[in-house]
Amino acid sequence: AQRVTQPEKLLSVFKGAPVELKCNYSYSGSPELFWYVQYSRQRLQLLLRHISRESIKGFTADLNKGETSFHLKKPFAQEEDSAMYYCALSWSGGFKTIFGAGTRLFVKA
Amino acid sequence: GAVVSQHPSRVICKSGTSVKIECRSLDFQATTMFWYRQFPKQSLMLMATSNEGSKATYEQGVEKDKFLINHASLTLSTLTVTSAHPEDSSFYICSASAGDQPQHFGDGTRLSIL
Repeated sequence: AQRVTQPEKLLSVFKGAPVELKCNYSYSGSPELFWYVQYSRQRLQLLLRHISRESIKGFTADLNKGETSFHLKKPFAQEEDSAMYYCALSWSGGFKTIFGAGTRLFVKA
Repeated sequence: GAVVSQHPSRVICKSGTSVKIECRSLDFQATTMFWYRQFPKQSLMLMATSNEGSKATYEQGVEKDKFLINHASLTLSTLTVTSAHPEDSSFYICSASAGDQPQHFGDGTRLSIL
């Protein structure tokens, strides 16, 4: 069965420190993976998707099929990065999606 | 960028009434719309997926007679919670996508049934 696991409910780091939000998935086919972010009082929005292989707001995520992971990383966290982050897995041409439980990132000054 | 409008943002109603929530894609044609439910401090749970002009596909455990979904056009989908009861109180979120593009989310609707 398909599954997305985000092991950390809360991650607290100091400004300027590196940050890594973990995401592991379970899917037998070729996965399509996303990171979505929800800032305070705002709607959920796409941060990045694995096929685009781009860096958004300094964040990157590499799909590691061997470890079935899609961890989100940023070398130097900023206070404005504080938000709720969700890892998501899609399949069937995007017709099916499941979300991880989410990780709340808190960046301290 | 792609914008999805969800209305109403909040609704409070008596037990036994039906509530309709609208989801509109404002600047793109959404071939697929998704309805999620989010309980406090929990993740989004997909309820159903709908393609324009066809019946919605419901996830296991979601009552299709309870949660009626209509996707009448490429820009509008509605979720009707029929005969709502207090246990239906939740945060409902819609999203829309075009083809295999990423989903764009609405602001959500907080439903409170008294």
